[in-house]
Amino acid sequence: GAVVSQHPSWVICKSGTSVKIECRSLDFQATTMFWYRQFPKQSLMLMATSNEGSKATYEQGVEKDKFLINHASLTLSTLTVTSAHPEDSSFYICSARDRNQPQHFGDGTRLSIL
Amino acid sequence: QKEVEQDPGPLSVPEGAIVSLNCTYSNSAFQYFMWYRQYSRKGPELLMYTYSSGNKEDGRFTAQVDKSSKYISLFIRDSQPSDSATYLCAMSYTGNQFYFGTGTSLTVIP
Repeated sequence: GAVVSQHPSWVICKSGTSVKIECRSLDFQATTMFWYRQFPKQSLMLMATSNEGSKATYEQGVEKDKFLINHASLTLSTLTVTSAHPEDSSFYICSARDRNQPQHFGDGTRLSIL
Repeated sequence: QKEVEQDPGPLSVPEGAIVSLNCTYSNSAFQYFMWYRQYSRKGPELLMYTYSSGNKEDGRFTAQVDKSSKYISLFIRDSQPSDSATYLCAMSYTGNQFYFGTGTSLTVIP
């Protein structure tokens, strides 16, 4: 149980395009979803926390207009990287949790901006 | 001072060895403690989840929490090459905000 599906797993696109990443909890209701960024050989960097039906809470230094997060249902959250540039290239990972439960992670999305 | 401290390693052990991974923390209010395993280019996978103090065992894995010392450990018995990964500790006091260690890279040599 507690499976989180993240899609796509890898995306390559041109500079200036927008990219949408989906995160779904398959067998539980995710009252809270988290979005992380991870650089090579570094730990997870929390970008934002979203509760279903509410606006996301962004960490300091994360541009909310750049990284749009939508958590419209208890099983789906999306992260849209708007007007992506090469410096946005990274490994993005979502996680989801139900109340009083630990986080379960998706398999991540490798984003490469040319 | 960071909320959670974890030695990044790398740690190399021969197959069959007992591995000990550790984290220390500064916030005595932490109540939820987790260990995750992350393979290269994959998301972290939950291995162990402990509430409050004590030990928890699951197969070859044992998690220990010592709240008096603010110290948590993960032991891996009879380590296998497939255990080679980065291990992340994580903890929380609210159940909603989580603090992660930087991860320890482990290699088990056949």
